[in-house]
Amino acid sequence: EIVLTQSPGTLSLSPGERATLSCRTSQSVSSSYLGWYQQKPGQAPRLLIYGASSRATGIPDRFSGSGSGTDFTLTISRLEPEDFAVYYCQQYGYSPPTFGGGTKVEIK
Amino acid sequence: QVQLVQSGAEVKKPGASVKVSCKASGYTFTTYPMHWVRQAPGQRLEWMGWINAGNGNTKYSQNFQGRVTMTRDTSASTASMEVSSLSSEDTAVYYCARYGDGFDIWGQGTMVTVSS
Repeated sequence: EIVLTQSPGTLSLSPGERATLSCRTSQSVSSSYLGWYQQKPGQAPRLLIYGASSRATGIPDRFSGSGSGTDFTLTISRLEPEDFAVYYCQQYGYSPPTFGGGTKVEIK
Repeated sequence: QVQLVQSGAEVKKPGASVKVSCKASGYTFTTYPMHWVRQAPGQRLEWMGWINAGNGNTKYSQNFQGRVTMTRDTSASTASMEVSSLSSEDTAVYYCARYGDGFDIWGQGTMVTVSS
């Protein structure tokens, strides 16, 4: 199965700052099948980005995704208070679908 | 609005089975596959399998092969997942998730605790 490695494990930033999250896959995946999710404590994951760079319905444009092959990035241009959460990447082009271990974005 | 509502929390003894349901509303149930994902405490999200809500075909993760069964009731717009031979390692939150563009809609999660 494809292993997804996210870095850093924790990102300590202040509101208004830019966040850059990395996701590396153990083998090349199609950009069409790379997603990013946000999860807050006690809540289900929420889809932010699909197809590596397309924002899901209702997702603000401060969230953007990029990358190809084995390296993908989620960028939050200016952190809002509600953005402090855990973020997961996922590939769903190969079976089984797999998730990264997550990056926690915490308030500095 | 489009939503998935799951059944409530369960407490089971080792060796027992648990069945979690996921009721869909706001869209045509048979049009979208339904996946199941679990999250054990402190662990990453783990895919369990999926069911074609239209024809009922299933595919399971090898990690759960022989121990998980996914079904659907199209008249009730409900997908269900049953896990047998539970152990403490199955203590987790179980989610259903619709596959549209990515896993675009998630249920609220069902906590399953396995304890003697």
